[in-house]
Amino acid sequence: DGGITQSPKYLFRKEGQNVTLSCEQNLNHDAMYWYRQDPGQGLRLIYYSQIVNDFQKGDIAEGYSVSREKKESFPLTVTSAQKNPTAFYLCASSSRDRGVYEQYFGPGTRLTVT
Amino acid sequence: SQQGEEDPQALSIQEGENATMNCSYKTSINNLQWYRQNSGRGLVHLILIRSNEREKHSGRLRVTLDTSKKSSSLLITASRAADTASYFCATDAFTSGTYKYIFGTGTRLKVLA
Repeated sequence: DGGITQSPKYLFRKEGQNVTLSCEQNLNHDAMYWYRQDPGQGLRLIYYSQIVNDFQKGDIAEGYSVSREKKESFPLTVTSAQKNPTAFYLCASSSRDRGVYEQYFGPGTRLTVT
Repeated sequence: SQQGEEDPQALSIQEGENATMNCSYKTSINNLQWYRQNSGRGLVHLILIRSNEREKHSGRLRVTLDTSKKSSSLLITASRAADTASYFCATDAFTSGTYKYIFGTGTRLKVLA
């Protein structure tokens, strides 16, 4: 999966609890991304970061938070404010090649909240 | 929002046949990428085509891009059971000084042995 690790693979939480998903890359990529995928659907962008200590909201950032303290790491916290957190979460990273970004994806974390 | 939409949503073919899936998008792009996702896994990059290119090949994959129609197609020739997966197109968007990609809803391909 291109040098990106996500842990855990499966995560179960009770409603009302915050949960943090881990994403680490050893590709020396500057940019990192978090996506959410619901069954039979495409990917929706939650947050992305182009450099350390900087990140931007994607299309569905409400109820989520991120940090980018190290180049290698981009953890995602799913807060209790997220109305429907059960989903498959994918982390990706990319470098810049002549202005084009090819993304490398991690294996994903499947979060179930009951 | 700018989004690629794949067509068909699902496709079932026999091994050895060719599979064609299409992607349409709404606004101008710099490049378009195709990704594959096996069930329950992350996405794998297949091929990238720039806006000034019309066709690109990679092994059994052939991608075309028609910027006038805002559409792209992915052809997989001589399909194999291992090609069974979902295929997504992704178009670029440059906003607030950074690049991000918008993914379509995908085509689910099933290749029958």
